[in-house]
Amino acid sequence: KAGVTQTPRYLIKTRGQQVTLSCSPISGHRSVSWYQQTPGQGLQFLFEYFSETQRNKGNFPGRFSGRQFSNSRSEMNVSTLELGDSALYLCASSTVTGDGYGYTFGSGTRLTVV
Amino acid sequence: TQLLEQSPQFLSIQEGENLTVYCNSSSVFSSLQWYRQEPGEGPVLLVTVVTGGEVKKLKRLTFQFGDARKDSSLHITAAQPGDTGLYLCAGGDNYGQNFVFGPGTRLSVLP
Repeated sequence: KAGVTQTPRYLIKTRGQQVTLSCSPISGHRSVSWYQQTPGQGLQFLFEYFSETQRNKGNFPGRFSGRQFSNSRSEMNVSTLELGDSALYLCASSTVTGDGYGYTFGSGTRLTVV
Repeated sequence: TQLLEQSPQFLSIQEGENLTVYCNSSSVFSSLQWYRQEPGEGPVLLVTVVTGGEVKKLKRLTFQFGDARKDSSLHITAAQPGDTGLYLCAGGDNYGQNFVFGPGTRLSVLP
């Protein structure tokens, strides 16, 4: 069974630009969550989508947005990029297991803002 | 806001040694998960514990959830270089909402 696929793996953007990252969850998983990982802040929750609806949102500015399509694929967008947005962006799909929710993460998109 | 702390932050040991890393919070979690992350990859789920006092074993790894469901430990027996990575704990409710991650313990096992 294919895992979570994130594209692109690496991205370099200039301050002020905008970027779109893509995530294809495991087939059958309807929940997709996005996290930002930096050395200083660790893993920070961005938002979660379930059946095309944003179900939860973390404490990030409105420049960070996302959406989910009917096939459960998700995109996140960051507008007006800042140097501090440089990070590893991780997508996780999840489904209910016998122990509750289980996250499967993608390999991430490494975004560098210069 | 629920926060998770992990200790130690860094750990470097020789192959064959035993080690324990800790995950603590002042909040109660309905479930707690442990992940291992290798450089350039996303975290990989190792285990989920949901019952206070629960102990789970995964080969050389032993996970324990505290009785009060506020803390957890991960014990590795006879560590191997392949155990090297960032160990993250994450707490949340059974519905996968309000999930928070700890800052991680970076483990290095030297051959």
